[in-house]
Amino acid sequence: GDSVTQTEGQVALSEEDFLTIHCNYSASGYPTLFWYVQYPGEGPQLLFRASRDKEKGSSRGFEATYDKGTTSFHLRKASVQESDSAVYYCALRSGGSNYKLTFGKGTLLTVTP
Amino acid sequence: EAAVTQSPRSKVAVTGGKVTLSCHQTNNHDYMYWYRQDTGHGLRLIHYSYVADSTEKGDIPDGYKASRPSQENFSLILELASLSQTAVYFCASSWDRKDTQYFGPGTRLLVL
Repeated sequence: GDSVTQTEGQVALSEEDFLTIHCNYSASGYPTLFWYVQYPGEGPQLLFRASRDKEKGSSRGFEATYDKGTTSFHLRKASVQESDSAVYYCALRSGGSNYKLTFGKGTLLTVTP
Repeated sequence: EAAVTQSPRSKVAVTGGKVTLSCHQTNNHDYMYWYRQDTGHGLRLIHYSYVADSTEKGDIPDGYKASRPSQENFSLILELASLSQTAVYFCASSWDRKDTQYFGPGTRLLVL
């Protein structure tokens, strides 16, 4: 079945550090890939998505590029801020008639001033 | 902007008791979903619905029932709550199966 593997546990950074959260996937066909962000006490919200090989998704300074060759969709940001502290989920939706989102286990980003 | 609300926001239940979690959306979305969130597991789909009066099983439906009495409302029912059902539950909605899913704020359920 479909699966998503992302950087596990917690990533601790200081403000202005560079962020990378790794995401690799396994799915049949041509999935759509997503990054969701979840702030404390809230539900996940879409950060951005990508549907085609080499397509770059971006929002709020975060970006990721769909790479079908390496089955990856790594999240990056050049300079993080304390307000970026949250849990980040990589997710996929398989092509065809599939409705379902498959999520990774989540990565907690903690940014200290 | 999408508006999905959930009630209650937190609940303590006893083992073997009945629990009903409610979800309401005001966006005329056809699709609604129930997920549970556990540390180390991310979010997993329990049930979903694409039309009123009809529900479908997701990946982990055992121990849960769902009800969609109207387009706006979607409930998750635990007939006999168990300790293993302690988790945070999220409702989501979308226009169709390929559209962005919008999540509610979650319900924290503790089963004792």
